[in-house]
Formats: sequence, C-alpha cells, structure tokens
Amino acid sequence: EPEVTQTPSHQVTQMGQEVILRCVPISNHLYFYWYRQILGQKVEFLVSFYNNEISEKSEIFDDQFSVERPDGSNFTLKIRSTKLEDSAMYFCASSVDQPQHFGDGTRLSIL
Amino acid sequence: DAKTTQPTSMDCAEGRAANLPCNHSTISGNEYVYWYRQIHSQGPQYIIHGLKNNETNEMASLIITEDRKSSTLILPHATLRDTAVYYCIVSPNNNDMRFGAGTRLTVKP
Repeated sequence: EPEVTQTPSHQVTQMGQEVILRCVPISNHLYFYWYRQILGQKVEFLVSFYNNEISEKSEIFDDQFSVERPDGSNFTLKIRSTKLEDSAMYFCASSVDQPQHFGDGTRLSIL
Repeated sequence: DAKTTQPTSMDCAEGRAANLPCNHSTISGNEYVYWYRQIHSQGPQYIIHGLKNNETNEMASLIITEDRKSSTLILPHATLRDTAVYYCIVSPNNNDMRFGAGTRLTVKP
C-alpha cells in the first residue's frame, strides 16, 4: 500500500538555525498538509497546500514557516531561525480527496 | 473551543468489542465525523468517516445518531494492537483536521 514518507526521522538543529523537513506524499495525491505534535500534547494543524499554494493555515503557521513543492514529488516545510519551542514531531499528510494519509513524522530537536 | 468531547481513557478486554463515544452537539449540517487513531508517536491513522449514515469498513463501524449530535466508533474484536489514542474530529471538509485530546484506549489481555 502506498504511503507518505518523511525524512529524516530525527533532526537535531542548533537554535537559530534554519531547518527543512521533507515529505514525499502519495503519488497521485493533490492536497498536502503539515502538522506538529509537541511531546505529550495534541496534534496541531499547521498548513494545507493545494495547486501550488497555501489553502489554509493555522495561527501557529507564522512568518517563521514556509512550505514548498519544489518538484513533482517532494513537499517541504522550512522553519527559519528555530526556537527551543519548535521541538516537536512534525507530520506530513496527503490526500486525493478524503481521507488524509499521514507519514510517521520527523522528530525535530532544537538545542 | 473543542468541537468534540471524548472520554479521556477507556479499557477493553481483548477479543471484545470496543465502543468509543464522541459528543459533537454543535455539529453543522455539512460537517463530517472523522475518526483517526495514533499508536505511540506514529502518524495518525485514518479509520473511518461519515456524514449521517452509519458506515462500516474493514477496521471499524461508525454509528451516528439521528440528530448527529453524537457518534460511536466500534472496533468489533479488539486486539492488543488496537491500543492507541482515538480521535473524533468534525470538519466540513478534509482540508482542516483539528485534533483534540482523544480517548486513550487500552486493550487488556
């Protein structure tokens, strides 16, 4: 069964540095999403992306964050000037209509 | 401002049916009820969704009350691998999933 893949599984970054989290959605999917989950807390929606533009974003997704689909297969989340509180699991998801299919996440640790 | 209310935790005996309730009394007419689960810290896994009719798939059944103000997810024969956090989400479309705290289901041998 096709699945969403995310790399790396664990990313360690110094505070203030930029980080790019990568996702390969399921190949025929058209909608792409990022979520985050701080340890012990709920899964939080960040952004959805369709037709090469952001379709919805949450209040968390501020100017520090950006998303891009640089080619036909990857979907990336860039976090600029990382802060300690950006430490979390970041999940990518994709869908063709319904439902959303999630990857197993990237654990981001900010030191 | 959660749109759904779920019990914090539930236990179920292995092999028995697990019935997970969800209240969504403010649901709008165009909002679907979605169920996902999360095992350990893996990505959420889709289980089932419905609008107003009851739904069944290979994983579970979804029973939605006639007034749509509540629903129940049924795992017919729970196994140890069904131990997870189960999320009930209401949304008008697939574009914006807002997860709550969910129900932590523990299946016991």
